[in-house]
Amino acid sequence: GQQLNQSPQSMFIQEGEDVSMNCTSSSIFNTWLWYKQDPGEGPVLLIALYKAGELTSNGRLTAQFGITRKDSFLNISASIPSDVGIYFCAGPLHYSGGGADGLTFGKGTHLIIQP
Amino acid sequence: ETGVTQTPRHLVMGMTNKKSLKCEQHLGHNAMYWYKQSAKKPLELMFVYNFKEQTENNSVPSRFSPECPNSSHLFLHLHTLQPEDSALYLCASSQDSGQGIYYGYTFGSGTRLTVV
Repeated sequence: GQQLNQSPQSMFIQEGEDVSMNCTSSSIFNTWLWYKQDPGEGPVLLIALYKAGELTSNGRLTAQFGITRKDSFLNISASIPSDVGIYFCAGPLHYSGGGADGLTFGKGTHLIIQP
Repeated sequence: ETGVTQTPRHLVMGMTNKKSLKCEQHLGHNAMYWYKQSAKKPLELMFVYNFKEQTENNSVPSRFSPECPNSSHLFLHLHTLQPEDSALYLCASSQDSGQGIYYGYTFGSGTRLTVV
């Protein structure tokens, strides 16, 4: 299966700041997904990307599917306390698969917001 | 009930015990998954069921045994576990459209398993 490298591992920011994180792969992906996990809960889908170069927003969140198809970026603007959590990138486990046969996940970016 | 429901939320078991984790999805999805989440590791895919057929077993030890009696229910039977099996076990479901568009998983809240 394909592996994802996610960075940074953790971020300590002030409320109101913008946040950027990214995910890279040694292989080409045809789908990129971004999830957020709150403590004690399962991950929740934030944004799905299906096309190289695609830029998609969900409120204050914006994600991009890299042109090379080997990376993706997630930006959060004007962070608020409820943005705290772990953000994961994910993609199909097997390139030939649509994703229904399994997803591979990055290790996550821990976002911590200091008051 | 909506979404994906997992029970129990917490489980403590001895190494000689037998227990089962349950997952139920109310979304009409046709694929279900078990994932293991350990500290400082990516989510690890364990099993995939597509239309109730197991299509992926990601080299999981035989002390973990999945069961999918229908497209809404998924179980993970546990026996003779080791302390290193302590983790958060997440169930997820998805809809395979079969058209190359994939909408991602809906996860349950997980079962926090501690093996003592």
